Amino acid sequence: RKEVEQDPGPFNVPEGATVAFNCTYSNSASQSFFWYRQDCRKEPKLLMSVYSSGNEDGRFTAQLNRASQYISLLIRDSKLSDSATYLCAVRRNNNDMRFGAGTRLTVKP
Amino acid sequence: DTGVSQDPRHKITKRGQNVTFRCDPISEHNRLYWYRQTLGQGPEFLTYFQNEAQLEKSRLLSDRFSAERPKGSFSTLEIQRTEQGDSAMYLCASSSFTDTQYFGPGTRLTVL
Repeated sequence: RKEVEQDPGPFNVPEGATVAFNCTYSNSASQSFFWYRQDCRKEPKLLMSVYSSGNEDGRFTAQLNRASQYISLLIRDSKLSDSATYLCAVRRNNNDMRFGAGTRLTVKP
Repeated sequence: DTGVSQDPRHKITKRGQNVTFRCDPISEHNRLYWYRQTLGQGPEFLTYFQNEAQLEKSRLLSDRFSAERPKGSFSTLEIQRTEQGDSAMYLCASSSFTDTQYFGPGTRLTVL
């Protein structure tokens, strides 16, 4: 079993839809959590950190559930430009980050 | 541009050759990471430096791989006797004490 698991998708949604991604992690000692966005053949770019209290940045909301060991990302009013792969990342109690394989999102007109 | 830079962006080599990649982190970042990413997968951790000290290496980093950060600034990743299975995107990331990692554009390696 991988340390960080995501549904690979693809998620195909119309513009304006709300879409949610989940990510589970197996190491209960994990300390920090992130969502990255990766466009085709580009590097991952930080979308947002995920805090215990949950956090929101515009149309994006991230939540952390430590008891169940999952994090989520909600995208509201999706835009064509949101089409990308979304990577969940978990930092353990040392300094390496473990990534999920990513969830692919396509937003269609 | 004050982001993470990597050179070269693309490298095509023949099996058995040695290759070296360079990463220049964001200037005030003391932590530097190397990852490898293959198609359909997330980045896989290879190694980590804090200043010039290599503090952690993944078991993925076989003895053909070596990384250095001699002055605590730029880093190099060398792969000796390349194999076709080494074909991947090699990503470098840097961070400060806040631990948010910022990635460079990557070096895409193709081993023929």
